[in-house]
Amino acid sequence: QKEVEQDPGPLSVPEGAIVSLNCTYSNSAFQYFMWYRQYSRKGPELLMYTYSSGNKEDGRFTAQVDKSSKYISLFIRDSQPSDSATYLCAMSAAKAAGNKLTFGGGTRVLVKP
Amino acid sequence: ETGVTQTPRHLVMGMTNKKSLKCEQHLGHNAMYWYKQSAKKPLELMFVYSLEERVENNSVPSRFSPECPNSSHLFLHLHTLQPEDSALYLCASSQDFQDAEAFFGQGTRLTVV
Repeated sequence: QKEVEQDPGPLSVPEGAIVSLNCTYSNSAFQYFMWYRQYSRKGPELLMYTYSSGNKEDGRFTAQVDKSSKYISLFIRDSQPSDSATYLCAMSAAKAAGNKLTFGGGTRVLVKP
Repeated sequence: ETGVTQTPRHLVMGMTNKKSLKCEQHLGHNAMYWYKQSAKKPLELMFVYSLEERVENNSVPSRFSPECPNSSHLFLHLHTLQPEDSALYLCASSQDFQDAEAFFGQGTRLTVV
């Protein structure tokens, strides 16, 4: 079993729809949760960074963490064609463990005009 | 521009060649990382440097040799690679080794022929 599971997609939505992405994980020690966006032939770009459980909102993006269920989500409201990319979740344990990010495989998102 | 610059962007090399990948970060960070991103696989952490000292080596074959001459520069020296080493090699940096928030470069697309 992979430590972090993420549906590879592709997830195809019409412009303006809400994009819903999620990851599940097995390591209960994870406390830091991140979402990265990666365009084709580019490096990952940090979108959202959250600590422990709860919600965080930034513009059209909302990240949710449910540690009891070992489940994290990213929602993109009013999706645009420019949101078409691969979205990677990443997580790490306590800071004392250093930056050992564990990534999901990524979900490819296509927003159609 | 992400603040982390990688060169070259693309590299094709034969199995007997020796080449080097370069990474430079302009963020004033103290920790730098090499990741490997293969098709249909999650990002894999290869090496971690903190204040120019290697703190992590995730069982990477010796044909990959990192070098960190100062906190702003990171190299990955390549020799006698295999075709299965073809991948996107990503450099990242974070404020400190214990900081989970990482910023990535654009990557070097390596093809071994």
